[in-house]
Amino acid sequence: GDSVTQMEGPVTLSEEAFLTINCTYTATGYPSLFWYVQYPGEGLQLLLKATKADDKGSNKGFEATYRKETTSFHLEKGSVQVSDSAVYFCALSSGGNKLVFGAGTILRVKS
Amino acid sequence: DTAVSQTPKYLVTQMGNDKSIKCEQNLGHDTMYWYKQDSKKFLKIMFSYNNKELIINETVPNRFSPKSPDKAHLNLHINSLELGDSAVYFCASSRDFNYGYTFGSGTRLTVV
Repeated sequence: GDSVTQMEGPVTLSEEAFLTINCTYTATGYPSLFWYVQYPGEGLQLLLKATKADDKGSNKGFEATYRKETTSFHLEKGSVQVSDSAVYFCALSSGGNKLVFGAGTILRVKS
Repeated sequence: DTAVSQTPKYLVTQMGNDKSIKCEQNLGHDTMYWYKQDSKKFLKIMFSYNNKELIINETVPNRFSPKSPDKAHLNLHINSLELGDSAVYFCASSRDFNYGYTFGSGTRLTVV
């Protein structure tokens, strides 16, 4: 079945550091790929998405590129802030009417 | 103007009780979902409804019963609550799988 693998956390960075959170997937067909963010005590919010190979999703300084050849969708940000501290989820949807999530990666940013 | 709203936000109850969580969306989406998030933040789909019809029913104990009176509402009823049911339950809705989901803010259920 479809699955998503994310790098384990927590990831701890200093403010203004570069962020990469790795995400790889296994899916039949051509899935759409997503990154969601969950701030403490809140629900999940869609951060960015890509629906076909080589698409780049971007939002709030975060970006991720859909790489079909490596089945990856790594999340990057050039300069993190304390307010970026949250749990980040990679997810895919391959038309089966459900999102399959990775296990989530906790990001902690220190000032 | 909340897009997906769940009530209650917190629910503390004793083992063996029956409880319900309500969910409503005002986005006009056709599909609604229930997800369970465990203490390690892992998210797993439980149910999905499309226009009031059940389309996904993952391996969930039959003590859990979803009900969709109309396409804007999807409620979750849980019978004979157990300690292991303690989790955060999220409702979500979507227009199309390419667009992603809109999530509610979650219901933290604690069974004591």
